[in-house]
Amino acid sequence: LAKTTQPISMDSYEGQEVNITCSHNNIATNDYITWYQQFPSQGPRFIIQGYKTKVTNEVASLFIPADRKSSTLSLPRVSLSDTAVYYCLVGASGGSYIPTFGRGTSLIVHP
Amino acid sequence: GAVVSQHPSRVICKSGTSVKIECRSLDFQATTMFWYRQFPKKSLMLMATSNEGSKATYEQGVEKDKFLINHASLTLSTLTVTSAHPEDSSFYICSAPPESGRTEQYFGPGTRLTVT
Repeated sequence: LAKTTQPISMDSYEGQEVNITCSHNNIATNDYITWYQQFPSQGPRFIIQGYKTKVTNEVASLFIPADRKSSTLSLPRVSLSDTAVYYCLVGASGGSYIPTFGRGTSLIVHP
Repeated sequence: GAVVSQHPSRVICKSGTSVKIECRSLDFQATTMFWYRQFPKKSLMLMATSNEGSKATYEQGVEKDKFLINHASLTLSTLTVTSAHPEDSSFYICSAPPESGRTEQYFGPGTRLTVT
């Protein structure tokens, strides 16, 4: 099971771009990288998933270098409502996948 | 996107009683669901994997006789906290993949359990 490492916390200001990096040095060939957002007292919400290079959706972008040992979640022009904890998970599709959460990154967006 | 609901959203019970929490996949079928608990300002801790039609798989350190899991249909898994104690007070969350074998999870809104 690939272990992930993220910064514990980050601070930003409204309107800025925020990049949160996750390290997963022992990622396996078949592993995908998935990011979730969690607000207090709510279940996590799926943000984005990728395997390699770059993935973009209406919420965020995910950048994955060629060696796939890290990934960066990019949130464009954050607002106060983006204040949340962001989790990076790594794992392979198939019947044996067990989603295991690390500590996540607490992002605080300031006015 | 796939929707997962939980019921109740919050419950208060007396010490020694049992509480049942339901997790439903509303617009998809889930052969597998996962149950987590989360303490304040902590990450999600996986408790068990709920398998439709078979026994749940519990993580190390989670008492299977205390946290009973039943996955009787493709859209419903239940977690029963038996003989609840104040230390069982926590935020319980379930998740399921939108299709069997996929890694992305869709989460329920969570259930806040308070044991007095």
